[in-house]
Amino acid sequence: DAGITQSPRHKVTETGTPVTLRCHQTENHRYMYWYRQDPGHGLRLIHYSYGVKDTDKGEVSDGYSVSRSKTEDFLLTLESATSSQTSVYFCAIKGLAETTDTQYFGPGTRLTVL
Amino acid sequence: QKEVEQNSGPLSVPEGAIASLNCTYSDRGSQSFFWYRQYSGKSPELIMSIYSNGDKEDGRFTAQLNKASQYVSLLIRDSQPSDSATYLCAVNRDDKIIFGKGTRLHILP
Repeated sequence: DAGITQSPRHKVTETGTPVTLRCHQTENHRYMYWYRQDPGHGLRLIHYSYGVKDTDKGEVSDGYSVSRSKTEDFLLTLESATSSQTSVYFCAIKGLAETTDTQYFGPGTRLTVL
Repeated sequence: QKEVEQNSGPLSVPEGAIASLNCTYSDRGSQSFFWYRQYSGKSPELIMSIYSNGDKEDGRFTAQLNKASQYVSLLIRDSQPSDSATYLCAVNRDDKIIFGKGTRLHILP
C-alpha cells in the first residue's frame, strides 16, 4: 500500500458539467501522475506533476486541467465533461523502491459521462 | 511506431508451464523498464523492474532486458491460475512512464 487514495471512486455525470477528481498521497512524494485507461488503448498519461505548482502535459491532455497546491493532493478537472471522457482514471506516484523510478497506483475512479 | 508494443493476447498457458511475455520499445534512451500485473477491475501493481541488460529473477518471475534489440520480456515459471491477468510493460522516458497496451494471460487449470 503506497498510501494513495482517490475520490470519488465512482461518478456518473452529464455532458457539459465540470468534474474534479482528487488524488491524495500520504508519503510526501514529489511526482504524481494522472492516467486514463480505456479498452484497446491501455494506460495513457494525461498530466503529471513534479512538485507543488509544477505540472506538465501528457499524451492525452486536451480537455483536462490539473492543479497541485499541496504536495499531498493532485486534482484533475474536466472543465466540461464529454462522453469521450468516460473512462477509468488512475492516479500514480513515483515512489521509493529500488530506485525512484517506480510508480505505484491508486485504486482508480470510474467516471461515466452520459 | 508505438513507443511500447505488446501482443494483446490472450496468451493461454497450461498450469505449471512457463509463460513468456514480450515487449518492444522505440526510444533507445530509455533507462528503466517495468512489468505490472493488473487484475480485472483493479489497479496495476508492480511485479518487476529492470535497469541493465541481462536477467533479473524474483521468485517465479524473471525479467530479461536486451537494450541493443530494444526488447524486454517476462517469464513466469510454474504458472498458477492466480497468474491470470493482464501484464503491462512500461518504459521510463524522462519523468514519464509510458505503458504498452498489455497482454492478457490465461492460465489453463
